Amino acid sequence: DTGVSQDPRHKITKRGQNVTFRCDPISEHNRLYWYRQTLGQGPEFLTYFQNEAQLEKSRLLSDRFSAERPKGSFSTLEIQRTEQGDSAMYLCASSLPDRSEQYFGPGTRLTVT
Amino acid sequence: GQNIDQPTEMTATEGAIVQINCTYQTSGFNGLFWYQQHAGEAPTFLSYNVLDGLEEKGRFSSFLSRSKGYSYLLLKELQMKDSASYLCAVRPVDDYKLSFGAGTTVTVRA
Repeated sequence: DTGVSQDPRHKITKRGQNVTFRCDPISEHNRLYWYRQTLGQGPEFLTYFQNEAQLEKSRLLSDRFSAERPKGSFSTLEIQRTEQGDSAMYLCASSLPDRSEQYFGPGTRLTVT
Repeated sequence: GQNIDQPTEMTATEGAIVQINCTYQTSGFNGLFWYQQHAGEAPTFLSYNVLDGLEEKGRFSSFLSRSKGYSYLLLKELQMKDSASYLCAVRPVDDYKLSFGAGTTVTVRA
């Protein structure tokens, strides 16, 4: 078990470009979560999946953000037409079906210039 | 929604004890979590309380009082490597997402 992995670890992009991040959860975990964290703040919920179904999406998530988990394994988070305010650490977490604790990946740090 | 408060910073001496308090206001409650986060790294799970009382796990203990909307994380025999941010998070009833506080930065000094 290698834990939750995320790719890339760092991404620098220019405003207006699209970016896509990938998350691979722990293999037997059926729930997968995306959070965003800015400096000095705790993680902020974005969306989560149970298997391939996207069950909840934060009201804070604009229509420029989309997430998928097509086969119930890895997930992707895409941000279209990035803005400087999108600069943050994007964290992925996963959990077992009958457990509440979530295990986080190392995150993808996005910088929009 | 959830309103979670915890102190911004705390400083303690190596070998000492530090208690990090967390208060929350929530329309529904299904558990309180503590995570440790070193600078530039992902949060790592420390503890989960769903019933009132104290849960002890080595040098770390977590307490919950649901009637008071209050929890604390107790760090004993502090080590330099315990310098980190400690995040309090609440899970609402009938939901799985976590709502986090802003975190408490603990600095351990020699």
